[in-house]
Amino acid sequence: NAGVTQTPKFRVLKTGQSMTLLCAQDMNHEYMYWYRQDPGMGLRLIHYSVGEGTTAKGEVPDGYNVSRLKKQNFLLGLESAAPSQTSVYFCASSYPGAQPQHFGDGTRLSIL
Amino acid sequence: AQSVSQHNHHVILSEAASLELGCNYSYGGTVNLFWYVQYPGQHLQLLLKYFSGDPLVKGIKGFEAEFIKSKFSFNLRKPSVQWSDTAEYFCAVNSGMDSSYKLIFGSGTRLLVRP
Repeated sequence: NAGVTQTPKFRVLKTGQSMTLLCAQDMNHEYMYWYRQDPGMGLRLIHYSVGEGTTAKGEVPDGYNVSRLKKQNFLLGLESAAPSQTSVYFCASSYPGAQPQHFGDGTRLSIL
Repeated sequence: AQSVSQHNHHVILSEAASLELGCNYSYGGTVNLFWYVQYPGQHLQLLLKYFSGDPLVKGIKGFEAEFIKSKFSFNLRKPSVQWSDTAEYFCAVNSGMDSSYKLIFGSGTRLLVRP
């Protein structure tokens, strides 16, 4: 049982490049979330999904897009990477309702 | 807008010292409260949670937290810390009125326990 798996674990991009981060969960969770973690700022929600085919904006959605084509996968895309998007990205998932979120190991992304 | 404040950004303790980390939130409705821990280089793990009932909740590894509704606080405590407790601790809140149950995190407290 892998839980929440994020790929890749590390990536370096040049400004203007695009990429997709993949989050996969095997717990049959309905809800999935993408956060970014920056020093001194905790985790901030980028986008989230409450079910297959649905997505919604979080606190800091600009510059990112997401898709939830399959229940177990939640993709985060950067269309044109900017240095301000250098961060550690965490995916999380949970059952509906007041349930704890389970986090992946994170993706460390550097934009040069 | 909801917010979560963790006033202690860095805490340094010696082993066996007692720990209390503060967490205050701003939201007047029904809330669910969490403490997560992040060990160096690892993902966030749930320490404990409060949804309702007894305001004193016990979590893993000897941690506990007390929900004080009148103070909008959910402070984390441990009577005697160990070197292995060195980590970053995050308080988080979600609203019982928000069907997405998205979490609002505090900025975190880095704890260093000296042997």
